[in-house]
Amino acid sequence: TQLLEQSPQFLSIQEGENLTVYCNSSSVFSSLQWYRQEPGEGPVLLVTVVTGGEVKKLKRLTFQFGDARKDSSLHITAAQPGDTGLYLCAGEGNYGQNFVFGPGTRLSVLP
Amino acid sequence: GAVVSQHPSWVICKSGTSVKIECRSLDFQATTMFWYRQFPKQSLMLMATSNEGSKATYEQGVEKDKFLINHASLTLSTLTVTSAHPEDSSFYICSAKDRLYNEQFFGPGTRLTVL
Repeated sequence: TQLLEQSPQFLSIQEGENLTVYCNSSSVFSSLQWYRQEPGEGPVLLVTVVTGGEVKKLKRLTFQFGDARKDSSLHITAAQPGDTGLYLCAGEGNYGQNFVFGPGTRLSVLP
Repeated sequence: GAVVSQHPSWVICKSGTSVKIECRSLDFQATTMFWYRQFPKQSLMLMATSNEGSKATYEQGVEKDKFLINHASLTLSTLTVTSAHPEDSSFYICSAKDRLYNEQFFGPGTRLTVL
């Protein structure tokens, strides 16, 4: 069974600070996706990374896929209160298995 | 962009009744749809995978007779919670896998409260 771990579980920071969230596994994934979910809503896809070592940028968010495709990171620069939410990583296995979700990182950005 | 809708957004029912939740992909075809359950402050737990025209595949521990899934078309899957009980109260979220881009898009979720 492929499992994903995320760290930290909770993060509370001040507006303007930088942060990094990690998603790790002992398994290889064909792709990893990052989602952001707000209370009472469904997750919203932020990015999909497919190639080992890949780096993608989305405004103040930078996503990296590990060389071995077992881990990924999300870095947010100059966090804003609007970044508050639950950040989930999800991986699809090499054999087209269902998506596996990590437990999530709950981010709170204080004004 | 790809949009997935769910209906209803929230429902309150009495114990013992059945509730049907619809999941629709509005602007793309989805051969595969997934049903998740999420408890407060927890991550998503996959309940079942629904493939168009075939029986759903349920995750271990999920009762298929209690959570009936029908995926009758490439744009619609339904989840029926039969004989609902208070412990079935949860946030149910569906997702649809885009046929072309192989990405998963989520619906807004349905909050079920069983009294």
